[in-house]
Amino acid sequence: DAGVIQSPRHEVTEMGQEVTLRCKPISGHNSLFWYRQTMMRGLELLIYFNNNVPIDDSGMPEDRFSAKMPNASFSTLKIQPSEPRDSAVYFCASSLGHSGANVLTFGAGSRLTVL
Amino acid sequence: QQPVQSPQAVILREGEDAVINCSSSKALYSVHWYRQKHGEAPVFLMILLKGGEQKGHEKISASFNEKKQQSSLYLTASQLSYSGTYFCGSNFGNEKLTFGTGTRLTIIP
Repeated sequence: DAGVIQSPRHEVTEMGQEVTLRCKPISGHNSLFWYRQTMMRGLELLIYFNNNVPIDDSGMPEDRFSAKMPNASFSTLKIQPSEPRDSAVYFCASSLGHSGANVLTFGAGSRLTVL
Repeated sequence: QQPVQSPQAVILREGEDAVINCSSSKALYSVHWYRQKHGEAPVFLMILLKGGEQKGHEKISASFNEKKQQSSLYLTASQLSYSGTYFCGSNFGNEKLTFGTGTRLTIIP
């Protein structure tokens, strides 16, 4: 398997622009997670899906952030409008299982810079 | 409900041992340990489940004290390849995994 695939790997944009990050989970995995990593706040869970349904979005910073999972093989995280404080590395991860024993496999991350 | 890790950073000489601690304020179902090398994604090391089942690698092991809601990661005879940031993740019985702030481990020759 190719693992979790994220795109783009790097994105530089200007404040106010829309940003869309994409993720393809490992085939057969039924949970998908979006994390944001910064020096100040570490690895923060933004949202996670189980069987394509959003289960917990309590980590989404504000209404400028939205995430979708239209099918089992694709998810997007959108920021509109983007702000400099959104600059971070965004990781997508997927896992198989329904309990706390599920192991997360991370993608390589998308490094976002908002100027 | 972010777990608390200590220490924040450790510098070791090759061959020395290290212990990284992780504690939660809420009853845990499981504790996960991941390692992240600079510029890379976190990679799974091991999971400790409530009830005592423990998993580990050869020289990296961990314990889980359910009463104290604490876990410790033990790295013995450290190698240069062990360098990186170690994260513990707390889980309370569903799929959600919340990570601690991380412990940066530097191994010097």
